Amino acid sequence: NAGVTQTPKFQVLKTGQSMTLQCAQDMNHEYMSWYRQDPGMGLRLIHYSVGAGITDQGEVPNGYNVSRSTTEDFPLRLLSAAPSQTSVYFCASTSGRTFYNEQFFGPGTRLTVL
Amino acid sequence: KNQVEQSPQSLIILEGKNCTLQCNYTVSPFSNLRWYKQDTGRGPVSLTIMTFSENTKSNGRYTATLDADTKQSSLHITASQLSDSASYICVVSFLSGAGSYQLTFGKGTKLSVIP
Repeated sequence: NAGVTQTPKFQVLKTGQSMTLQCAQDMNHEYMSWYRQDPGMGLRLIHYSVGAGITDQGEVPNGYNVSRSTTEDFPLRLLSAAPSQTSVYFCASTSGRTFYNEQFFGPGTRLTVL
Repeated sequence: KNQVEQSPQSLIILEGKNCTLQCNYTVSPFSNLRWYKQDTGRGPVSLTIMTFSENTKSNGRYTATLDADTKQSSLHITASQLSDSASYICVVSFLSGAGSYQLTFGKGTKLSVIP
């Protein structure tokens, strides 16, 4: 199993550009999430999905869109990049909604918006 | 507001020594508490998960404790190794108003183990 994979690993954008961060998992997990990690702050939830076709907002959803057409993939779209979106983005998956399930994280995408 | 506070922010110890990291939380309603290890440039990796009824849980040289009454947890690392150099993140799970389990992350303690 590859676990949770993310592409690209690094990306530089100009303000106003759009892009999609890819996330895939091969563990047949229902629950997937996107987080951002900024210096001096804990990880913050952007969006999450409890299954194909179902998504919901997290703590910091503004400026981001998600969709979940398959169990495996959960892409994160930046509609119009802003310097405030410079961050490291992590995708994670969990085997279910039960409270005890371990969450597996991808390796992250480091995004810089100029 | 749900919060997770970790101390110290950073710590330097000699290889072979023990250390203890602290976590205080105000998350409610509490579901479980997790400790993650995050190597530089990598995603977090789970070390332990504890519910309110579990006082201690071990994973090799890592031992986590939980006092649900005082809302405190600690992570003890025994006989540290250079590979223990990483950030250690305390995470508390709670049941959100939407009926799903969400996580509140601490800022982490950056541990450096030196020869």
